[in-house]
Amino acid sequence: DGGITQSPKYLFRKEGQNVTLSCEQNLNHDAMYWYRQDPGQGLRLIYYSQIVNDFQKGDIAEGYSVSREKKESFPLTVTSAQKNPTAFYLCASSFSGFNQPQHFGDGTRLSIL
Amino acid sequence: SQQGEEDPQALSIQEGENATMNCSYKTSINNLQWYRQNSGRGLVHLILIRSNEREKHSGRLRVTLDTSKKSSSLLITASRAADTASYFCATDALYGNKLVFGAGTILRVKS
Repeated sequence: DGGITQSPKYLFRKEGQNVTLSCEQNLNHDAMYWYRQDPGQGLRLIYYSQIVNDFQKGDIAEGYSVSREKKESFPLTVTSAQKNPTAFYLCASSFSGFNQPQHFGDGTRLSIL
Repeated sequence: SQQGEEDPQALSIQEGENATMNCSYKTSINNLQWYRQNSGRGLVHLILIRSNEREKHSGRLRVTLDTSKKSSSLLITASRAADTASYFCATDALYGNKLVFGAGTILRVKS
């Protein structure tokens, strides 16, 4: 079945540590996105990529980095510069741009040790 | 501030009743989308309505869009316990480059 796979489901970060969240899709979608969800709030866009080897900052990119070396993969690194990383991180993809329905993974919950 | 804002923040109904959720937004849009999120899971796309459409149906879901009032509503008819979830509207602004999500409505359907 086609879909988006995020791993791990739960992740713990120590002070000063970078951690990487994985996102893989087999939907043959061009566009991929990373969102952050805090309790009781909507989703906020961290980064997006509409084509391989290209990505753009969203509203809250500071303290995060991404790469898009393959169409299927869009990993997110939460760096030590992100001082409040505890949140639920969601990866999504769509055929092209923001005017298309987005398909979401089941998220990674990141906490601080 | 967020482009889309849902109302009410929370809604509790009995199984079999209808549930209505509203979404208001600020700027002109290309389209508006509704998503469902079960607890601890990712979002699931429900329906997309374009700015030149007024109403769309999908099974037990009915979405309306009033661009003059910059508002949309999602109606779930004959609700079931499995409809318990958070529901989000998301707007694709006319001159924007992102999908902006509201804070969501938490729906609880009691059996």
